[in-house]
Amino acid sequence: NAGVTQTPKFRILKIGQSMTLQCTQDMNHNYMYWYRQDPGMGLKLIYYSVGAGITDKGEVPNGYNVSRSTTEDFPLRLELAAPSQTSVYFCASSSTGGARNQPQHFGDGTRLSIL
Amino acid sequence: AQKVTQAQTEISVVEKEDVTLDCVYETRDTTYYLFWYKQPPSGELVFLIRRNSFDEQNEISGRYSWNFQKSTSSFNFTITASQVVDSAVYFCALRESGNTGKLIFGQGTTLQVKP
Repeated sequence: NAGVTQTPKFRILKIGQSMTLQCTQDMNHNYMYWYRQDPGMGLKLIYYSVGAGITDKGEVPNGYNVSRSTTEDFPLRLELAAPSQTSVYFCASSSTGGARNQPQHFGDGTRLSIL
Repeated sequence: AQKVTQAQTEISVVEKEDVTLDCVYETRDTTYYLFWYKQPPSGELVFLIRRNSFDEQNEISGRYSWNFQKSTSSFNFTITASQVVDSAVYFCALRESGNTGKLIFGQGTTLQVKP
């Protein structure tokens, strides 16, 4: 089972460049999330989506944009890369339903460096 | 505000020692959910356990056990007879109230198990 797939795994960008981090899941999960992890820190939520066509800001959304045109895909876009966006990015998904204790399933992460 | 605190930044033990990772949370919700994730050196996030606020039973899974105490707002994780393969960063997380499923992560505890 593929689960949550993120591409690319590594990327180096120059300041001011733009790029899209791809995330796709094959578990038919409605809920999807983007987190960033800075060294020695926990994960912080950038954006999330509760279903196709619905997105909302998390704790640290500045400098990012997302879209959710399908249930499977939740790409994260950096428009003008800045050194402060150097981080490891994780995409996650979870199912809905009556039990809200369903765990989030994470992709393997994208390590992004802005130079 | 909801918050998760993992006061232990780094712990180093010798193989076969027992080790406890502390997690203290803050929430005003009466119903909430707690999670532990493991991040090995390879970088992925692995789900370990979830706990509902209304279920205070402790749980044991092999060498792993979890102690949930609502009275002290703690959800501690113990590894018995630690092994080198347990070396990782461990995150405690709280599921935010509402229907978004967002997780609030602690800063993480880096566990190093030496042979």
